[in-house]
Amino acid sequence: EAGVAQSPRYKIIEKRQSVAFWCNPISGHATLYWYQQILGQGPKLLIQFQNNGVVDDSQLPKDRFSAERLKGVDSTLKIQPAKLEDSAVYLCASSLGHQGSEAFFGQGTRLTVV
Amino acid sequence: GNSVTQMEGPVTLSEEAFLTINCTYTATGYPSLFWYVQYPGEGLQLLLKATKADDKGSNKGFEATYRKETTSFHLEKGSVQVSDSAVYFCAYTPDGSRLTFGEGTQLTVNP
Repeated sequence: EAGVAQSPRYKIIEKRQSVAFWCNPISGHATLYWYQQILGQGPKLLIQFQNNGVVDDSQLPKDRFSAERLKGVDSTLKIQPAKLEDSAVYLCASSLGHQGSEAFFGQGTRLTVV
Repeated sequence: GNSVTQMEGPVTLSEEAFLTINCTYTATGYPSLFWYVQYPGEGLQLLLKATKADDKGSNKGFEATYRKETTSFHLEKGSVQVSDSAVYFCAYTPDGSRLTFGEGTQLTVNP
């Protein structure tokens, strides 16, 4: 079974530039998550989709971050403009979405803002 | 609000030592509880889970029991190996959504 695919693996940009990350979840998984993991910390949920609808985006900095999940499959997360404190690993995960179901994670995109 | 708190690290043990990493949660109802592991250079992966009170999750010699009365889900292993060196994350979800993680515990096992 193919896992969660993310690209790119690494990205270096200058502050105030924009960047986009892509995620392809496991086929059939209704729930898709984007997490931000700052070095030495646990993953922090940015946004959760159920199919193509947003379930929770309460911790998404909406002035600069946006995400979409067209057709309820692939998703993109965008940052515009980037700040130094956005340097982190951005993780995408997917699950079947019911109580107790496991979330499967991609390898993540390591973003460095200079 | 709802949260999960886990034992701060880092933890350094010798091979074959006993491991305990504490995890407590604050949530109403009956959340599902998880331990995820992140090996060096790899992505997060599920280690074990429990979905109701008194359930015991187990995998690769690790165990954790869902204790409703103490709102805890402590991770244990009787004899750790060098290959267990990784970062361990406690996590929970109240209803299948909003999977929330603790801050992680770095474990180093020396030969």
